[in-house]
Amino acid sequence: GQNIDQPTEMTATEGAIVQINCTYQTSGFNGLFWYQQHAGEAPTFLSYNVLDGLEEKGRFSSFLSRSKGYSYLLLKELQMKDSASYLCAVRDSNYQLIWGAGTKLIIKP
Amino acid sequence: ETGVTQTPRHLVMGMTNKKSLKCEQHLGHNAMYWYKQSAKKPLELMFVYNFKEQTENNSVPSRFSPECPNSSHLFLHLHTLQPEDSALYLCASSQEDKSSSGANVLTFGAGSRLTVL
Repeated sequence: GQNIDQPTEMTATEGAIVQINCTYQTSGFNGLFWYQQHAGEAPTFLSYNVLDGLEEKGRFSSFLSRSKGYSYLLLKELQMKDSASYLCAVRDSNYQLIWGAGTKLIIKP
Repeated sequence: ETGVTQTPRHLVMGMTNKKSLKCEQHLGHNAMYWYKQSAKKPLELMFVYNFKEQTENNSVPSRFSPECPNSSHLFLHLHTLQPEDSALYLCASSQEDKSSSGANVLTFGAGSRLTVL
């Protein structure tokens, strides 16, 4: 079967750095997505990786290793507004999105 | 209005009621989706309308029925639901191309929180 694993919950301190991991086992690979979802709000697109390596967007970076079936989302200079759930999703060989259960990130002052 | 709008935001219904969820997208996208989001579970794709063709997840019970009258509007009709159907129902849209080679990023609505008593 197809599976996406990510930690259920993480806690970090304001101003620090946090890395949220995502491992996947899917039938084929056609890209990996990260979405952010604040409580009671719509998930919003953060990043898309289809080739190995690091993609940087301001305070957020996303890394992909296709050979290891592994990605991480790196958040720097954490702010209280970064408290949210972070969803990892992989597009498989049929271009279907397989979703992880999300990681709830709690930022403490 | 911009983006993807869902109404109602909250709905409480009994098991014998019939209700509908509405979704409207103002992005000119050609694909729309219904997802179910339950606590601590992955998003579950329920229905997709892509180039006006519907595909669905065969595990979706028949008490859920979608309707897509045009590329901007999507409905989810609900009848004789069960308490386990209580969840957040998310609508999304995207611009799909036939080659599916692009990112095809989803734009989500804020969801309709459904409680079945």
